[in-house]
Amino acid sequence: KQEVTQIPAALSVPEGENLVLNCSFTDSAIYNLQWFRQDPGKGLTSLLLIQSSQREQTSGRLNASLDKSSGRSTLYIAASQPGDSATYLCAVNDYKLSFGAGTTVTVRA
Amino acid sequence: KAGVTQTPRYLIKTRGQQVTLSCSPISGHRSVSWYQQTPGQGLQFLFEYFSETQRNKGNFPGRFSGRQFSNSRSEMNVSTLELGDSALYLCASSLEGSNEKLFFGSGTQLSVL
Repeated sequence: KQEVTQIPAALSVPEGENLVLNCSFTDSAIYNLQWFRQDPGKGLTSLLLIQSSQREQTSGRLNASLDKSSGRSTLYIAASQPGDSATYLCAVNDYKLSFGAGTTVTVRA
Repeated sequence: KAGVTQTPRYLIKTRGQQVTLSCSPISGHRSVSWYQQTPGQGLQFLFEYFSETQRNKGNFPGRFSGRQFSNSRSEMNVSTLELGDSALYLCASSLEGSNEKLFFGSGTQLSVL
């Protein structure tokens, strides 16, 4: 059974600092990995999708890397802003999605 | 382009009742998947439908069921509600399946009293 772990569970940083969010998974036989953002009481917004054959994906200030062999992915958010405050979840797809518990990020103005 | 629409937004039921939740995917999307989110268990996959057929199923009891219609709209049903079924139920759609970017609705918050 796929286990997905996200560390840390919560993070508070001053505006402008770079964010590093970690995701690890136990079974490397995956199709892809997605990073999502969730605002309180809302659904999820897909940020980046990395296929198993890719090493990284970038979108604006966001960059996600994938090391399938070691079962790790990292989401980097450059120059954080208060609007980046949210819970970030990673999800691993090995025929069905398995989610981590998320990292709740607070960016202080 | 309209997003994924889930109705109702909030629902209050009592133990033993049944409930039906609805999800309208983005136009053109044929895959709809359902998830349960609780503070204790996090987000868990319920099932996925594609072209009116269940393609995948998570580890939930048979009280949880779903279906998909020819217009790709999907419903999920929970029978004989238990207190532990209180959760945010989310659906997501994509063109072909979970190998692609998923678009989520805002969810239905179900409270079982």
